[in-house]
Amino acid sequence: TQLLEQSPQFLSIQEGENLTVYCNSSSVFSSLQWYRQEPGEGPVLLVTVVTGGEVKKLKRLTFQFGDARKDSSLHITAAQPGDTGLYLCAGAGQGAQKLVFGQGTRLTINP
Amino acid sequence: EAQVTQNPRYLITVTGKKLTVTCSQNMNHEYMSWYRQDPGLGLRQIYYSMNVEVTDKGDVPEGYKVSRKEKRNFPLILESPSPNQTSLYFCASSPIYPTSFVSQRETQYFGPGTRLLVL
Repeated sequence: TQLLEQSPQFLSIQEGENLTVYCNSSSVFSSLQWYRQEPGEGPVLLVTVVTGGEVKKLKRLTFQFGDARKDSSLHITAAQPGDTGLYLCAGAGQGAQKLVFGQGTRLTINP
Repeated sequence: EAQVTQNPRYLITVTGKKLTVTCSQNMNHEYMSWYRQDPGLGLRQIYYSMNVEVTDKGDVPEGYKVSRKEKRNFPLILESPSPNQTSLYFCASSPIYPTSFVSQRETQYFGPGTRLLVL
């Protein structure tokens, strides 16, 4: 069974600080996705990374896929209260037809 | 507006009373899926469907049934609900298998969720 471990599970920081969320596995994934979920809503896709070593940026968010395609990270620069939410990583196993989700990181940015 | 709808949004029921949660998408997507979300466990896939009349088990299918008679609808059926099925349920759809996503245009759309409490 493929597993994705996210860390930390909870993170509360002040506005303006930087943070990194990690998503790790012992399995190789053909692609990895990051989602953000607001209370009372379903997850919304932020990014898909496919190539080992790939780096994608969305404004203040930087996503990286590990060289071996077993891990990924999400870095937020100068966090803002609007970044508050649940962040989920999800991996697509090689040859599989479904996604495996991490447990999620609940991020709170305090003004 | 492209969307995935679920009904009901909230449901309180008792053990053993059959229930159905409906899911409908208006994007002509082939792939649909049901997940449950529990604290500390993330999203776990219950069942998925790659097209009409094609369904398969996810990671936690026990106690659930699904059907895909039409492309747009993918209901989740609990024949005899038990308290351990108390959870937040999400339906999702995508144009292709999520494992084939390579770009931002190939995204999985989630419904708003159904919060179920089984007493």
